[in-house]
Amino acid sequence: TQLLEQSPQFLSIQEGENLTVYCNSSSVFSSLQWYRQEPGEGPVLLVTVVTGGEVKKLKRLTFQFGDARKDSSLHITAAQPGDTGLYLCAGPNQAGTALIFGKGTTLSVSS
Amino acid sequence: DTGVSQDPRHKITKRGQNVTFRCDPISEHNRLYWYRQTLGQGPEFLTYFQNEAQLEKSRLLSDRFSAERPKGSFSTLEIQRTEQGDSAMYLCASSLAYRDGYTFGSGTRLTVV
Repeated sequence: TQLLEQSPQFLSIQEGENLTVYCNSSSVFSSLQWYRQEPGEGPVLLVTVVTGGEVKKLKRLTFQFGDARKDSSLHITAAQPGDTGLYLCAGPNQAGTALIFGKGTTLSVSS
Repeated sequence: DTGVSQDPRHKITKRGQNVTFRCDPISEHNRLYWYRQTLGQGPEFLTYFQNEAQLEKSRLLSDRFSAERPKGSFSTLEIQRTEQGDSAMYLCASSLAYRDGYTFGSGTRLTVV
């Protein structure tokens, strides 16, 4: 069974701090996606990584796909209160028909 | 395009009642997905349509759950004889291909009392 494990589960930091959240699996994924979800809303796609070792940057967010395509990380520089939310990683299931999601990391950034 | 729309946003129902949710995907997206999310968890896959064909159903989707996508446009998810364990956020998403990012709706929050 494919599983995506995210850590930490909760993270509470002050504005301006840096942080990294992780998404790990024992399975190889052809690609991984990161989503951000605010309370009461659906997840919103941030990025898709497809190549082992790939690094993508989105303003203050840096995403990395592991060389073996079993893990990914999201690094946020100088976090802001607007970064608060649930960060989810997702990858295609073995059948390639749908995405499976991790349980997410809940980030709270206070000013 | 206004994105993925879900209706209603909130539903409170008594245990044993039937409920139906609607999802209107992005018009050019031929893939449509239903997920369920409970507090503190990531979305769990329920079912997947390609056009009007329901191609995959999760084991989470018991006999009380049924989904349709007539004419490959909007989709409905019906839950019969609701139970308190059905309380969750029901999310609909659409995409052009499974590798493409999903566009999610805002979800329907179901509370069974």
